[in-house]
Amino acid sequence: NAGVTQTPKFQVLKTGQSMTLQCAQDMNHNSMYWYRQDPGMGLRLIYYSASEGTTDKGEVPNGYNVSRLNKREFSLRLESAAPSQTSVYFCASSQPGVSSLHFGNGTRLTVT
Amino acid sequence: RKEVEQDPGPFNVPEGATVAFNCTYSNSASQSFFWYRQDCRKEPKLLMSVYSSGNEDGRFTAQLNRASQYISLLIRDSKLSDSATYLCVVNRGEYGNKLVFGAGTILRVKS
Repeated sequence: NAGVTQTPKFQVLKTGQSMTLQCAQDMNHNSMYWYRQDPGMGLRLIYYSASEGTTDKGEVPNGYNVSRLNKREFSLRLESAAPSQTSVYFCASSQPGVSSLHFGNGTRLTVT
Repeated sequence: RKEVEQDPGPFNVPEGATVAFNCTYSNSASQSFFWYRQDCRKEPKLLMSVYSSGNEDGRFTAQLNRASQYISLLIRDSKLSDSATYLCVVNRGEYGNKLVFGAGTILRVKS
């Protein structure tokens, strides 16, 4: 039982490049989330998906897109990376109505 | 002003010490409260929920004061393995998309 799996663990991009962060969970959770974590700041919600087929913006959605491919998978895409998107990205999942989240191991992204 | 504020620390304590962290939140409509633990370069993990009546889990005690809008975490008999960042988390709504995370308090337990 792997829980929440994110790939890749590390990535370096040049400004303007695109990439997709992958996330999959095997806990049969309906809700999935993408957060970013920056020094001195709490985790901030980028996008979330309350259930398969739905996605909604969080606090900091600009520059990102998401796809809820099926119940297990929720991907985050950076179409044109910017240095301000240098951060640690976490995917998480939960059951609806349950506030506690299960996080993936994180992706450390550097944009130069 | 941040919606959830924590003293960033670090708190440097010897093994066996008792240490307490506080957290304040500004949204009086917040409905549920949590402490998460995050080890260095790892993902956050739920440590415990915080209930109005206060709750204990082994060496950890969490308290909530709704009137003053603060949450506390007390760790007794600190262990080296307690060294981590402790995140205060507040839920503005019923679902996970309304969680607001504090920036965290760093705890270092030394032998």
